[in-house]
Amino acid sequence: AQTVTQSQPEMSVQEAETVTLSCTYDTSESDYYLFWYKQPPSRQMILVIRQEAYKQQNATENRFSVNFQKAAKSFSLKISDSQLGDAAMYFCAYRSIMEGTSGTYKYIFGTGTRLKVLA
Amino acid sequence: GAGVSQSPRYKVAKRGQDVALRCDPISGHVSLFWYQQALGQGPEFLTYFQNEAQLDKSGLPSDRFFAERPEGSVSTLKIQRTQQEDSAVYLCASSLTASGDPGELFFGEGSRLTVL
Repeated sequence: AQTVTQSQPEMSVQEAETVTLSCTYDTSESDYYLFWYKQPPSRQMILVIRQEAYKQQNATENRFSVNFQKAAKSFSLKISDSQLGDAAMYFCAYRSIMEGTSGTYKYIFGTGTRLKVLA
Repeated sequence: GAGVSQSPRYKVAKRGQDVALRCDPISGHVSLFWYQQALGQGPEFLTYFQNEAQLDKSGLPSDRFFAERPEGSVSTLKIQRTQQEDSAVYLCASSLTASGDPGELFFGEGSRLTVL
């Protein structure tokens, strides 16, 4: 079974600085998808960035980029020029490419990292 | 509506009471997921629908939990004889596709259930 681990329960960053959130995962599959989701307080979770495992190039979305190390099963999120609006819970998630025996495409989430942005 | 809508946003139930949580996915979305998020934890998978078919209910914690999506759109998660350990936020998420390239997973704001 796949697992996702986020070892940093909480991180702080000064406004305009850069912060990196860590995520490791375990899987025996060779192809899969990885995601970072952001959950602001009392608001719905939204997709920040995604990475296809078969792509060697790291995904980027404006100030957000990932460092995907497939062999190490590591998928960290870098937030550059941090803004107050970046404060939220960040969840790393995994999804298989191949459907399970029941036809399910489960998304498996880590326990999250709470990011505080200091003015 | 433009997004995934869940109701009620907050529900307080006495232990032993039955509750029903509703999810209105984005129109046309094939996949629908229910997740349970305990305080300070990540979402835990409960069940998955592809249109009206419930393809996976392996995450439902007990037979007190039941979910349906009879017409392939609105879904209801029902919890019978609620227990204190059922207190959590219940998240619904939908996606346009069922397979292949995973389109974005859209989440609702969740239903926060507190069992006294």
